[in-house]
Amino acid sequence: SAVISQKPSRDICQRGTSLTIQCQVDSQVTMMFWYRQQPGQSLTLIATANQGSEATYESGFVIDKFPISRPNLTFSTLTVSNMSPEDSSIYLCSVARGWTSGRGNEQFFGPGTRLTVL
Amino acid sequence: TQLLEQSPQFLSIQEGENLTVYCNSSSVFSSLQWYRQEPGEGPVLLVTVVTGGEVKKLKRLTFQFGDARKDSSLHITAAQPGDTGLYLCAGSQGAQKLVFGQGTRLTINP
Repeated sequence: SAVISQKPSRDICQRGTSLTIQCQVDSQVTMMFWYRQQPGQSLTLIATANQGSEATYESGFVIDKFPISRPNLTFSTLTVSNMSPEDSSIYLCSVARGWTSGRGNEQFFGPGTRLTVL
Repeated sequence: TQLLEQSPQFLSIQEGENLTVYCNSSSVFSSLQWYRQEPGEGPVLLVTVVTGGEVKKLKRLTFQFGDARKDSSLHITAAQPGDTGLYLCAGSQGAQKLVFGQGTRLTINP
């Protein structure tokens, strides 16, 4: 597995502002992912962030709203731009080393960032 | 679009009872993971199954992957309050993104 940290752990923001969430991993990983989890619900993938290439966004998520950086193999950031109360969620990063025999495509998650937008 | 239907979505039982959570799809997955998430934390990986018909045990938890690799189940024996949490199944095809089920919110009452 990997040790993953996120900053901040929680924040309360005003509508119209932006917040950048950091994700740090204790080892080099190829794939990093950003998810959103609304209260009481499952995880929704926002984008896949691989080092050296542009992030790939899922349907319903756009780069202008959720710009992502992946400057190296241990770090990524997700920015939530021009926030509205509908952006209040938990934002999670995860990492994967790709398919491995016997272990499939396992992902390991950070503790999450709980965002409240007023 | 790959979909994973997870059931039940909510389950509240007494300590000592047994329970089963199901994860079903019409798609074939090359691997399937089960996670547990507690409030204020990220999901924690419990197990990965990759072979059709595979059964894995983790103490009182038994995980099974369907023969056709389209479905999976999680069985908990003699549930304890510490088993309370959100259980998530997630499947993938190769080294691609995971598809998550809706989750099962399990409450074990003392």
